[in-house]
Amino acid sequence: NAGVTQTPKFRILKIGQSMTLQCTQDMNHNYMYWYRQDPGMGLKLIYYSVGAGITDKGEVPNGYNVSRSTTEDFPLRLELAAPSQTSVYFCASGTSGRADTQYFGPGTRLTVL
Amino acid sequence: GNSVTQMEGPVTLSEEAFLTINCTYTATGYPSLFWYVQYPGEGLQLLLKATKADDKGSNKGFEATYRKETTSFHLEKGSVQVSDSAVYFCALRRDDKIIFGKGTRLHILP
Repeated sequence: NAGVTQTPKFRILKIGQSMTLQCTQDMNHNYMYWYRQDPGMGLKLIYYSVGAGITDKGEVPNGYNVSRSTTEDFPLRLELAAPSQTSVYFCASGTSGRADTQYFGPGTRLTVL
Repeated sequence: GNSVTQMEGPVTLSEEAFLTINCTYTATGYPSLFWYVQYPGEGLQLLLKATKADDKGSNKGFEATYRKETTSFHLEKGSVQVSDSAVYFCALRRDDKIIFGKGTRLHILP
């Protein structure tokens, strides 16, 4: 099992550009999440999904979009990149069990100049 | 609402020192509690968890006990190593989401 994979690992964008961060998991988890981690800060939830075709906003959804067409994939779309979106982005997956943990990908470091 | 508060870092200790990182939570009902660790350049990974009052989670020499009366889940280790240098996150699970504390950076000196 590869677990949760994210691509790319690093990316530099110019203001106003768009991009998609890819996330794939091979554990057949229903739940998937996107977080951002700003320098020296904790995690903030952007969007999450409890199954294919179902998505919901987290704490900081503005400027982002998601889709969930399959169980395995949960891409995050930035339409008009802004410097405030410079961060490290983590994808995670898990199940519905109340005692179950989330499994994290290695992260994508994004810089918007 | 649900929230997690943990001690601010950085915490700097010498090798073989005793470690405590405080964590308290606010939640309705009976959440599950977790400690995650993040090594430099990596994602978070589960360190230990506890699912009900008085449960003790343990892993790699780290321990934490679910204290409902004090709404706490403090992380302890008897003798830290340089390899324990990382950021530690306390978290709780309610419904579909896990709520994380802000993280505590731990730096162990040889």
